[in-house]
Amino acid sequence: QVQLQQWGAGLLKPSETLSLTCAVYGGSFSGYYWSWIRQPPGKGLDWIGEINHRGVTSYNPSLKSRVTVSLDTSKNQFSLTLSSVAAADTAVYYCARVNSGSSWGDHYYYMDVWGKGTTVAVSS
Amino acid sequence: SSELTQDPAVSVALGQTVRITCQGDSLRNYYANWYQQKPGQAPVLVIYGKNNRPSGIPDRFSGSSSGNTASLTITGAQAGDEADYYCNFRDSSGYRYVFGTGTKVTVL
Repeated sequence: QVQLQQWGAGLLKPSETLSLTCAVYGGSFSGYYWSWIRQPPGKGLDWIGEINHRGVTSYNPSLKSRVTVSLDTSKNQFSLTLSSVAAADTAVYYCARVNSGSSWGDHYYYMDVWGKGTTVAVSS
Repeated sequence: SSELTQDPAVSVALGQTVRITCQGDSLRNYYANWYQQKPGQAPVLVIYGKNNRPSGIPDRFSGSSSGNTASLTITGAQAGDEADYYCNFRDSSGYRYVFGTGTKVTVL
């Protein structure tokens, strides 16, 4: 049973850098994408970015200039950094495993394992 | 457009059937996944791909699609199904994921 355990600083000041890490336990790191998603208070889910086991990344265009997703394969961990945070970055941040499949030649991707979430507040 | 629109809220009587919809032009080309999120908890995958249920998800959850609309049906809703539900897909052309606006399901 794959589990994701995440951690990081929960209170930041404006202009600081958010840093979160997610560790993968009980499963392979390779063959999957690993994503970060956030959820502002009372709002919906918003995808931030992802990385695969080879280090190939993809980011939400709205955050791309401030986001870096990296990985440490020796520790089965991946990390999120978000620079120059502001109050609008206040949210619960989740890490998730992205699995994939195909049906009649159509490929699809889905987030099948999630971390418990880390609450990050940005306030002066 | 890659946006996904869901009704903000729906209600269903205990034991009855409810269908939650997700609309977006991109759904003509991609399957929608569905996630259940209860207050204070992380989302849980309930339907993925054409109509697949992860291990442990009851068979009262099913998915379907027609044109630009994907649907999640809960047949025989239980009190424990009360939650927010989100659809999503991965846009392979833009290499990004899109989530729907979310639907709050209330079981009466």
